[in-house]
Amino acid sequence: GESVGLHLPTLSVQEGDNSIINCAYSNSASDYFIWYKQESGKGPQFIIDIRSNMDKRQGQRVTVLLNKTVKHLSLQIAATQPGDSAVYFCAENIGDSGYALNFGKGTSLLVTP
Amino acid sequence: AAGVIQSPRHLIKEKRETATLKCYPIPRHDTVYWYQQGPGQDPQFLISFYEKMQSDKGSIPDRFSAQQFSDYHSELNMSSLELGDSALYFCASSLGRGNTEAFFGQGTRLTVV
Repeated sequence: GESVGLHLPTLSVQEGDNSIINCAYSNSASDYFIWYKQESGKGPQFIIDIRSNMDKRQGQRVTVLLNKTVKHLSLQIAATQPGDSAVYFCAENIGDSGYALNFGKGTSLLVTP
Repeated sequence: AAGVIQSPRHLIKEKRETATLKCYPIPRHDTVYWYQQGPGQDPQFLISFYEKMQSDKGSIPDRFSAQQFSDYHSELNMSSLELGDSALYFCASSLGRGNTEAFFGQGTRLTVV
C-alpha cells in the first residue's frame, strides 16, 4: 500500500554540523506534510509543516524541502545541537475529511560532541 | 500554555480485560486524534473526531471504540485486551480539521500482561 518512509534509520552528526533527514512518500495526492520530533517517552512534537503548493519552508534552524516530482521530503537542521538528538518522523495527511497523519518510519538523530 | 492531557500515564491490564484511556484537548480545540505507537514503531493513526463526530478512521481494531464528549474530551475504550495491544497511545488535538497543526499529549503507556 501507499506509505511514507524514511531512507535512513539512524543518523549520527557532530555538534555544529548541519543535518539532513530524508523522507520518501508515495501518495501523490498528499497535500500536507509535517515533520515531528519525538524524544524518548514523549509525544511527537511539531517541528515544521509544508503544503504541497510550496517547495520550501524555513523555520528557526530548520528548513523543509518538498520535491513533488520525485515525492521526496527533507528536513535540514542547521548547526545541530545535542538537544536535537531524537527520533524524527515525517508524516503526510491522508485524511479524507480532516486530518489523519500517516507517519513514516523514524530516523534516529544522534548528535555527538 | 495548556497542553493535551492524557490519563492515565501508565496502565497495566491483564489479557481479556478492558481499558479506558482519556484525552483532554487543548482548550478550544475541537478535533481529537488517537494514535498507537508500538515499541520502536512509528505512530499509527487510529481514529479522529471533529465536533463530537467521528471524522477519519484508521487502523482501529473492532475491539476498540472511541467517542468525543460535549466538553470535547475523548475516551478510547479497549476491550478483550491482547498482549499485542501493549503500546503507547497518543492523543492529539487541533483547532479545526484539515491541514493544521496538531499538538500531541504525553501518551498513555498501556502494558497488557
